[in-house]
Amino acid sequence: KAGVTQTPRYLIKTRGQQVTLSCSPISGHRSVSWYQQTPGQGLQFLFEYFSETQRNKGNFPGRFSGRQFSNSRSEMNVSTLELGDSALYLCASSSAPSSYNSPLHFGNGTRLTVT
Amino acid sequence: GQQLNQSPQSMFIQEGEDVSMNCTSSSIFNTWLWYKQDPGEGPVLLIALYKAGELTSNGRLTAQFGITRKDSFLNISASIPSDVGIYFCAGFQGGSEKLVFGKGMKLTVNP
Repeated sequence: KAGVTQTPRYLIKTRGQQVTLSCSPISGHRSVSWYQQTPGQGLQFLFEYFSETQRNKGNFPGRFSGRQFSNSRSEMNVSTLELGDSALYLCASSSAPSSYNSPLHFGNGTRLTVT
Repeated sequence: GQQLNQSPQSMFIQEGEDVSMNCTSSSIFNTWLWYKQDPGEGPVLLIALYKAGELTSNGRLTAQFGITRKDSFLNISASIPSDVGIYFCAGFQGGSEKLVFGKGMKLTVNP
């Protein structure tokens, strides 16, 4: 069974640009969560989707958005990039509507560098 | 937002030694989880705890859900070089479905 797949693995963007990251969950998993990981703040929850609906959202500005498709694949978008957006973005999937009810399985992340 | 206080932040130990790490919060948590992250990879779930006082083992790993529901600890016995990595505690605060993570403890094991 394939794990959570995130593409691309690495991205370099400049300030003001926008970026789209992709996540394919484990087959059969319908819940996808996104996290930002930085050395200073650690792992911060961005949002969680189930069946194409956003169920929970973290405390990030509106420049961070996401969506989930009917095949459970998810994308997150960051517009007007800032230097502070440089981070490892992790996607995780679970089988239940909420990660509260079933363990999260993480992908290996997308390393975003904003210059 | 709500943070979990994880200590220590790093540890250097000799192969074969035991290691303990702790996670505390000022709020009550309903679930405690322990993850390990290897370089270049995402976190992997090690142990999940769902009841206050629960003590759970997974091989050489043992974790407990504190009685007050505000803390948890993880022990690793007889460490080996592949235990190297960053260990995170995480949990669901009462009434919330948002998973909160500690800042991690970097473990180095000297052969």
